[in-house]
Amino acid sequence: KNEVEQSPQNLTAQEGEFITINCSYSVGISALHWLQQHPGGGIVSLFMLSSGKKKHGRLIATINIQEKHSSLHITASHPRDSAVYICAVSNTDKLIFGTGTRLQVFP
Amino acid sequence: ETGVTQTPRHLVMGMTNKKSLKCEQHLGHNAMYWYKQSAKKPLELMFVYSLEERVENNSVPSRFSPECPNSSHLFLHLHTLQPEDSALYLCASSFRTGGGELFFGEGSRLTVL
Repeated sequence: KNEVEQSPQNLTAQEGEFITINCSYSVGISALHWLQQHPGGGIVSLFMLSSGKKKHGRLIATINIQEKHSSLHITASHPRDSAVYICAVSNTDKLIFGTGTRLQVFP
Repeated sequence: ETGVTQTPRHLVMGMTNKKSLKCEQHLGHNAMYWYKQSAKKPLELMFVYSLEERVENNSVPSRFSPECPNSSHLFLHLHTLQPEDSALYLCASSFRTGGGELFFGEGSRLTVL
């Protein structure tokens, strides 16, 4: 079992839908990261958080330290949001990655 | 544009070839990383450099040889690779090691024939 689990593995949505991607982890962490990987391969850091909630545009990330769970929400989804979303946790001095959630948003 | 540049973006090589991947960052970061991404697997950390000193080598085969000549440049030298080494190789940098925010390059997609 991976130390970082994401669900769902694949997600399709219609443009405009509200989307939630979940991440659960089983190790102690100092921070949790949400990353976005587009088909070309490059990865962009969306959020780094250690408590509560962060918002950037249509993206919202929340974390519950007690439950060892984080969610990434996308409001008013758009086809350009289609990408792989990766959850990673900072454990001691290393990052542990989930396998990613592949999101496709159709017009 | 994250500030981390990788070349080449695509590389096809035979098992007897020698090639190198290059990564460059001008973000003033002190830590640089090589990651391997294979299909349907989490990102795997290969090497970490902090202030040009290698601080971690995650049991990577010796056919992969990193080089960090200065804090802005990182290379991954490839020699006698196997087809199973075909993957996306991602470079990243951060201000320091210890779990801070990572800035990734676009990746170098390697195919070993």
